[in-house]
Amino acid sequence: NAGVTQTPKFRVLKTGQSMTLLCAQDMNHEYMYWYRQDPGMGLRLIHYSVGEGTTAKGEVPDGYNVSRLKKQNFLLGLESAAPSQTSVYFCASWEDEQYFGPGTRLTVT
Amino acid sequence: LAKTTQPISMDSYEGQEVNITCSHNNIATNDYITWYQQFPSQGPRFIIQGYKTKVTNEVASLFIPADRKSSTLSLPRVSLSDTAVYYCLVGRMDSSYKLIFGSGTRLLVRP
Repeated sequence: NAGVTQTPKFRVLKTGQSMTLLCAQDMNHEYMYWYRQDPGMGLRLIHYSVGEGTTAKGEVPDGYNVSRLKKQNFLLGLESAAPSQTSVYFCASWEDEQYFGPGTRLTVT
Repeated sequence: LAKTTQPISMDSYEGQEVNITCSHNNIATNDYITWYQQFPSQGPRFIIQGYKTKVTNEVASLFIPADRKSSTLSLPRVSLSDTAVYYCLVGRMDSSYKLIFGSGTRLLVRP
């Protein structure tokens, strides 16, 4: 039981490039979440999903898109990366309590 | 969503009991209160959750007064490894459960 895993762990992008962050959970949870955390700050909710095929906007959705084609996977996409998207991205799933992945450290230059 | 207010930081010494209070004046009837712990470069980790009165587990206690407008996380006999950021969240346990994090409380435990 791996819990929540995230791919990749680190990534450096140039402004305007695109990429997809993958989150996978093996706990059969319905709810999944994407957060970003800037240095010294709390987590901010980007998008979340309450089940396969459904997604919803969180606090800071602009510049990001998500998809939940399979229950176990929640993808976060950056279509045109900007330096303001430099952050650590955390994925989580929830049932009774929230389980977080190890994070992806993204730098946009 | 109920907004939460916590102290920005707290200092303590090893072996002491630490109490971190969170204010949530506009908590809704269906909202639960959850506390998370986060170490540097790691994702948050669930500590404890409650709805009213007192909840205790192997790592902490959560005290919630009758009006539920605040809650207190109590960490008994802290150690250096309890140095972390602690977040208080409130929300409904249903499909609207967005889990909005505030800025948290930075706890520093000194030797």
